[in-house]
Amino acid sequence: DGGITQSPKYLFRKEGQNVTLSCEQNLNHDAMYWYRQDPGQGLRLIYYSQIVNDFQKGDIAEGYSVSREKKESFPLTVTSAQKNPTAFYLCASSIDATAAYNSPLHFGNGTRLTVT
Amino acid sequence: SQKIEQNSEALNIQEGKTATLTCNYTNYSPAYLQWYRQDPGRGPVFLLLIRENEKEKRKERLKVTFDTTLKQSLFHITASQPADSATYLCALDPGGGNKLTFGTGTQLKVEL
Repeated sequence: DGGITQSPKYLFRKEGQNVTLSCEQNLNHDAMYWYRQDPGQGLRLIYYSQIVNDFQKGDIAEGYSVSREKKESFPLTVTSAQKNPTAFYLCASSIDATAAYNSPLHFGNGTRLTVT
Repeated sequence: SQKIEQNSEALNIQEGKTATLTCNYTNYSPAYLQWYRQDPGRGPVFLLLIRENEKEKRKERLKVTFDTTLKQSLFHITASQPADSATYLCALDPGGGNKLTFGTGTQLKVEL
């Protein structure tokens, strides 16, 4: 079955350490996204990529970095510059990023990051 | 500023009844509106999409309405079942690119 795999499901890090969250998709989708979900808040877009070797900042990109070297993979690095990194991180993909009407988001099952 | 509002209080209903969830928005002119279901500890799952020129969309027991005058979408689940218990998110797309803005979601609990 096609889908999006995020790993690991739970991640614990000490403050001051960078950490990379994995996201792999086998849906052959062009566009990929990273969202952050906090209690009582809607999903907030961190970064998105419409095509390999290209990505754009979302609404809350500060303290995060991404790469898109392969179509299937879109890893997210949470750097020590991110002030409140503890959250539930969701990766998503869509057929393309040009319009939502033909391209709803497919989500992975998330990585819960705890930084202490 | 742009705002999407979903009722933050959980909606509790009895099995077999119709659940109605609300999504209100301000300072948007969305081209499309989407509804997703999210179970605890999992990613959202796409349910339905409705365009601005559509009044209503149906899929099995689900119905979505979209009133651009009231700036509101209603999401109905008929003949609700305990398995429908989840958090339901609405998301708006202003058009011109798939950068959805999500509401905070409403938790639905269907009791026997």
